[in-house]
Amino acid sequence: AQSVTQPDIHITVSEGASLELRCNYSYGATPYLFWYVQSPGQGLQLLLKYFSGDTLVQGIKGFEAEFKRSQSSFNLRKPSVHWSDAAEYFCAVAQNQGGKLIFGQGTELSVKP
Amino acid sequence: NAGVMQNPRHLVRRRGQEARLRCSPMKGHSHVYWYRQLPEEGLKFMVYLQKENIIDESGMPKERFSAEFPKEGPSILRIQQVVRGDSAAYFCASSPGREKNTEAFFGQGTRLTVV
Repeated sequence: AQSVTQPDIHITVSEGASLELRCNYSYGATPYLFWYVQSPGQGLQLLLKYFSGDTLVQGIKGFEAEFKRSQSSFNLRKPSVHWSDAAEYFCAVAQNQGGKLIFGQGTELSVKP
Repeated sequence: NAGVMQNPRHLVRRRGQEARLRCSPMKGHSHVYWYRQLPEEGLKFMVYLQKENIIDESGMPKERFSAEFPKEGPSILRIQQVVRGDSAAYFCASSPGREKNTEAFFGQGTRLTVV
């Protein structure tokens, strides 16, 4: 069965520090992978997606993610975190581009001044 | 091009009442997905619909929940005889269709509170 694991429930980083949020997936075929961000009381905003091609994907707000098939991972990174990045981040996998998504439990990011 | 519109944004219902959640997909999108986010949890898939068809309802609770996407008008998620455990945020997403190389776009959600 398809599944997504985000091992870190809550992460705190200092403003200006680098960030890496982990995501591991379990899926038999080539996955379509996504990272979404959710601010409190808001909907989900797509940060980036991987469908095919270059395994290093650039997204909005300075985020990037790298697809590593051998590790079944799709970790999200940002070189320098801003206070406005504090939010909950969800990794998701889909069978096709616009289809049914399987979400991880989410990682809540706090940013220290 | 307006995004995915969900209404109401907040809904309060007493136990035993019915809740109706509406979702208007983005213009040109014919596929709609509903997800539920329980407190402190991630989003769980509920149902996938195309116009006048339910494609995948594997995530729908067996009782009290139903969904439709009529030929005209928004998609509706209906919860009959609500219970406290139905309190959650319900999100709708839409996409043009599986043959298109694009992701699904999410609405702002409806936050249902059952009192």
